Amino acid sequence: EAGVAQSPRYKIIEKRQSVAFWCNPISGHATLYWYQQILGQGPKLLIQFQNNGVVDDSQLPKDRFSAERLKGVDSTLKIQPAKLEDSAVYLCASSFPGLAGDRTGELFFGEGSRLTVL
Amino acid sequence: QKEVEQDPGPLSVPEGAIVSLNCTYSNSAFQYFMWYRQYSRKGPELLMYTYSSGNKEDGRFTAQVDKSSKYISLFIRDSQPSDSATYLCASSYNQGGKLIFGQGTELSVKP
Repeated sequence: EAGVAQSPRYKIIEKRQSVAFWCNPISGHATLYWYQQILGQGPKLLIQFQNNGVVDDSQLPKDRFSAERLKGVDSTLKIQPAKLEDSAVYLCASSFPGLAGDRTGELFFGEGSRLTVL
Repeated sequence: QKEVEQDPGPLSVPEGAIVSLNCTYSNSAFQYFMWYRQYSRKGPELLMYTYSSGNKEDGRFTAQVDKSSKYISLFIRDSQPSDSATYLCASSYNQGGKLIFGQGTELSVKP
């Protein structure tokens, strides 16, 4: 089974520029998440989608970050304009709600997109 | 105060040692508790999953949750160099809901 795919793996931009990240979740997973992981910290949820709809975007800085999930499959996360403090790894994850037993709600993460803002 | 607190380490142990990793949380509404393992430059992967209080064992790994003290623990027996990674504790209110992660503890197991 293919895992969560993310691109690009690495991106270096200057502040005030824009950047976009792409995520393809595991086939059949209805829930998709974008997490931000700053160096030395745990991941922080930016946005959660259930199919096409947004479930939680309370921690998304909406003045500069946007995300969409067209057709309930792939998703893109955009930052415009970028700030120095946006330097982080952006992790995409997906899950299959309703999976029973010990793996209920398990999140499957991609390898992340590492952003450096200069 | 962060909702989930974790000692960032780093923690270095010799091969074969017993490792104890700990987290505390502040919100008594959390019901689900997880440990994720993250290798360098990789995404986190689920290691252990516990609902409410109690112990769960899986091979060399044991997870404990004490809701009365809001304390989460992960024990690794007979630690191996391949266990070297960052261990993240996480909590959520409901199944499939938003995960709140701790800062992660970086573990190094020396041969």
